[in-house]
This record gives sequence, C-alpha cells and structure tokens, in this order.
Amino acid sequence: DAGVIQSPRHEVTEMGQEVTLRCKPISGHNSLFWYRQTMMRGLELLIYFNNNVPIDDSGMPEDRFSAKMPNASFSTLKIQPSEPRDSAVYFCASTEEDRSNYGYTFGSGTRLTVV
Amino acid sequence: EDQVTQSPEALRLQEGESSSLNCSYTVSGLRGLFWYRQDPGKGPEFLFTLYSAGEEKEKERLKATLTKKESFLHITAPKPEDSATYLCAVQAYAGAQKLVFGQGTRLTINP
Repeated sequence: DAGVIQSPRHEVTEMGQEVTLRCKPISGHNSLFWYRQTMMRGLELLIYFNNNVPIDDSGMPEDRFSAKMPNASFSTLKIQPSEPRDSAVYFCASTEEDRSNYGYTFGSGTRLTVV
Repeated sequence: EDQVTQSPEALRLQEGESSSLNCSYTVSGLRGLFWYRQDPGKGPEFLFTLYSAGEEKEKERLKATLTKKESFLHITAPKPEDSATYLCAVQAYAGAQKLVFGQGTRLTINP
C-alpha cells in the first residue's frame, strides 16, 4: 500500500489567494483526519470524517477553512482567503474506525507558506 | 478539556546513554495513550498504544509504560538513528477517535 498520499508537498501562495490541499487515504480506511502542525501550537486536529461524513469540525479555526470528503478515497482542505498566520504543515491521517486504537497512519504533510 | 504535557522539550544524549521521556495527561476517561515518532519533514509514525495503568509495551530499544497520570518512554542504549521527535497523544472515550497531542520531545543522540 502506498500509504496516505498528500499533495502538494509544498505550497507557497500570496495572502488572499485560495489554497486547496488534497489527501488520498489508505484504501479500506473509513476515518480521515486533518491536522495542522506549528512550532507554537504543535499538532492540532482541524476536522475528521467517518464514512465521508464530518464528525467533529470544532478545530477549524474560522470560516475561511472548509473541508470536504466527496468519496472514500479523496478529501480536500480549502483555505479562502489565505493569511500569513495559516502558514504551517498540514497533515492528513486515516484509520479504520473500529481499529483506531492501532493508531492513525499519517501522510507526509503539505508545508504551506502564505506570504 | 483533555491536555497532554511532554517533558523535556529537548534532550541530547550520547550513544548508549539511556534515559526517559515523560508524558503527563489529564483526560475525561482514557481510551488509549499513543506514542508516535516523527522524523524531520515526515508525518508522525505510530509506535505504541497503552490502555490501562501498569501496562507496558516494547519495541527494540523503546519501552512505554503507563500510570493513571503519566506515561514514560524509556530509551535503552540509544543509537543515532533513534534521533527524532517523540509525540504523546491521548484518546478519550468522550472524544470518539480524536487524538490530542502533546508538543513533543526532540531527542538527539550523538555518536
């Protein structure tokens, strides 16, 4: 298995632009998580899905952030408009809902820089 | 609110010098405590899950233990390839599958 695949690996954008991050979970995993990692705040959960349905989006910082999971093999995290404080590494992770105690599998992340 | 505090923030050891990393937690009903390893430029990699006080798990030079308030990651005779950031996370029964992470301990093993 190729693991959790995220794209792009790096994104540099100007303030005010729309940014879309993409994630392909491991086949057969029905839970998907979006995390953000910064030096100051560490790893923070933004939102997670079970069976393509958003379960907890309490970590989404504000209305500029939105996430979708149109099918079991694809999810997007969109920021519109982007701001410099959104600069961070964004991770996607997946697991089987009934086996989450075996840990999530994380992707390699997207490093976002907003200038 | 579930919280995880890791100490120290950074630790530098000589190869072969054993030590322990600490993870203190407060959670409303612990479902599981997780340890992850993160290398620079990569996502966290799962190491262990612990469920109840007194439980221990081992993997190569790493051993994780759990009490009602904290977990320790013991590193025995470390090698330079053990250098990484080690993350602790808790999962509460009330939070379903949500993991709350600590800030991590950045471990450096000098040859």
